[in-house]
Amino acid sequence: QKEVEQDPGPLSVPEGAIVSLNCTYSNSAFQYFMWYRQYSRKGPELLMYTYSSGNKEDGRFTAQVDKSSKYISLFIRDSQPSDSATYLCAMLAGGGNKLTFGTGTQLKVEL
Amino acid sequence: NAGVMQNPRHLVRRRGQEARLRCSPVKGHSHVYWYRQLPEEGLKFMVYLQKENIIDESGMPKERFSAEFPKEGPSILRIQQVVRGDSAAYFCASSPTQGSFSYNEQFFGPGTRLTVL
Repeated sequence: QKEVEQDPGPLSVPEGAIVSLNCTYSNSAFQYFMWYRQYSRKGPELLMYTYSSGNKEDGRFTAQVDKSSKYISLFIRDSQPSDSATYLCAMLAGGGNKLTFGTGTQLKVEL
Repeated sequence: NAGVMQNPRHLVRRRGQEARLRCSPVKGHSHVYWYRQLPEEGLKFMVYLQKENIIDESGMPKERFSAEFPKEGPSILRIQQVVRGDSAAYFCASSPTQGSFSYNEQFFGPGTRLTVL
């Protein structure tokens, strides 16, 4: 079993839709939860990070962490074609230095 | 305001040759990480280095792979006697500090895409 599971998609939505991306994990030591966006042939770019359980909002993006269920989500409101990319969840144990990534979900927002 | 720089961006090697991948961290960052992204897989941690020290190499294959981050110059990931299974995108990341029980963002470079013929 992988430490982090993420549906690879692809996920196709119309412009303006609300997108929900999710990851589950098995390692209880994870305390920091990140979402990265990766455009084709580019490096990952950090969108948001959350410490422990709770919600965090930044513009059109909302990250949720439920440690009791070992489940994290990223919501994108009013999705735009420019949001089309691969979204990677990543996790870090407290005091750790190596990120553990999901496989990424490929998102396409269509006009 | 340069970010993480990696070169070359694309590298083609024949089986048995050596591959050398270079990473220049963000100016002022003293922590470097290498990750590998195989097709259809997420990024996998390989190694974490500080200047002149390997801190964590738990993700490095036991043979043929080595990494260094010298006092002067870029970090180098070296793959000796490459095989087709080494074909992947190799990403370098850097962070300013690595504190205990705190989060320091890792900034990623654009990656080096290695193709082994």
